[in-house]
Amino acid sequence: SAVISQKPSRDICQRGTSLTIQCQVDSQVTMMFWYRQQPGQSLTLIATANQGSEATYESGFVIDKFPISRPNLTFSTLTVSNMSPEDSSIYLCSVYSYNEQFFGPGTRLTVL
Amino acid sequence: RKEVEQDPGPFNVPEGATVAFNCTYSNSASQSFFWYRQDCRKEPKLLMSVYSSGNEDGRFTAQLNRASQYISLLIRDSKLSDSATYLCVVNMRGSGYALNFGKGTSLLVTP
Repeated sequence: SAVISQKPSRDICQRGTSLTIQCQVDSQVTMMFWYRQQPGQSLTLIATANQGSEATYESGFVIDKFPISRPNLTFSTLTVSNMSPEDSSIYLCSVYSYNEQFFGPGTRLTVL
Repeated sequence: RKEVEQDPGPFNVPEGATVAFNCTYSNSASQSFFWYRQDCRKEPKLLMSVYSSGNEDGRFTAQLNRASQYISLLIRDSKLSDSATYLCVVNMRGSGYALNFGKGTSLLVTP
């Protein structure tokens, strides 16, 4: 299985600031994704992080708000920019490996 | 209309009971179907994939009806440790690995 770690595990931030979330995988993977799980809602795909090229964003998500980096096959970052209370959510990194999709432990973000 | 719909529950059942969860999906092009389990404040983990012929893994049985775009999960002989949220998951597009999640069905198994 793929082991995924995320930093930070949680944070409380002021509105208008930005937070960068890191995702590290213990093996090289081609497919890496970022999801969001808002309170009482289903997991929603934000974007697919592509190594060496720009991320592919889903409808409703834009690069200016959620810039993503993927410098290599084991690491990615998601930045939540110019945060508002509506961005309070759990952000999860995910990878497809060994015919299965694995999720990181998530970053619990609260925006005041 | 949401892409993946589930009864949110909660389902409260006694130990040893049989419980069934249902799910419908809207994208007829979807090719991959799963049930994930999510414990409180934890990440989702794959419980089982769902195949057209139906499949069983111990006490868990999953069924897929492509014509009705309907997926089910049956849990037999419920254990206390089965208490969790069960997520119905479908791939977003005809191929590829991006996933659409249902909101989940909450199960509480009581002594």
